[in-house]
Amino acid sequence: DVKVTQSSRYLVKRTGEKVFLECVQDMDHENMFWYRQDPGLGLRLIYFSYDVKMKEKGDIPEGYSVSREKKERFSLILESASTNQTSMYLCASRAQAGGSREQYFGPGTRLTVT
Amino acid sequence: DAKTTQPPSMDCAEGRAANLPCNHSTISGNEYVYWYRQIHSQGPQYIIHGLKNNETNEMASLIITEDRKSSTLILPHATLRDTAVYYCIVLAGGTSYGKLTFGQGTILTVHP
Repeated sequence: DVKVTQSSRYLVKRTGEKVFLECVQDMDHENMFWYRQDPGLGLRLIYFSYDVKMKEKGDIPEGYSVSREKKERFSLILESASTNQTSMYLCASRAQAGGSREQYFGPGTRLTVT
Repeated sequence: DAKTTQPPSMDCAEGRAANLPCNHSTISGNEYVYWYRQIHSQGPQYIIHGLKNNETNEMASLIITEDRKSSTLILPHATLRDTAVYYCIVLAGGTSYGKLTFGQGTILTVHP
């Protein structure tokens, strides 16, 4: 059974703190993604990685950075958390090869910045 | 990627089949139809996808019309745990990185 795990389900941080969100997948997938999901705005891509140490900006990368040192792990970093980064953060992974593009998601981290 | 249209909400009785429609009239030849669902406060879950043939897996069946302009997701024996928002999306095939964009989806409520 495919598995994507995220380090926390709920997180509360203060404005200005540095925040690390971790994602691990056990499917040997090359591609990994970080999204945020907000009511009325749907799913928005922050960053993705197509291989170890490789990353590409998504639609809303400002205020975020990522790290992928190992194939199975993709970290999202909020350099200095702000209240507008309060959101549900979703990690996903996908195999690189083939015409099929299904993504497998983790359970999500609900981050509140106060 | 082609746009999709889904009804905003549907109801289904537990144990009955749930048939969720999706229109994608501008779909092009290399685009697949994907279905995901999201149970409240959880991450989205991949259900099934297809190109032109009908598909079935352990979760659901996908019926795609011959002209590929619409499709139906069938949950054959809906349970209360199938209550979720169901998203139909259309994506081109190939090895591009595959950003997902969900529309409003259909809120399926399964009642006893």
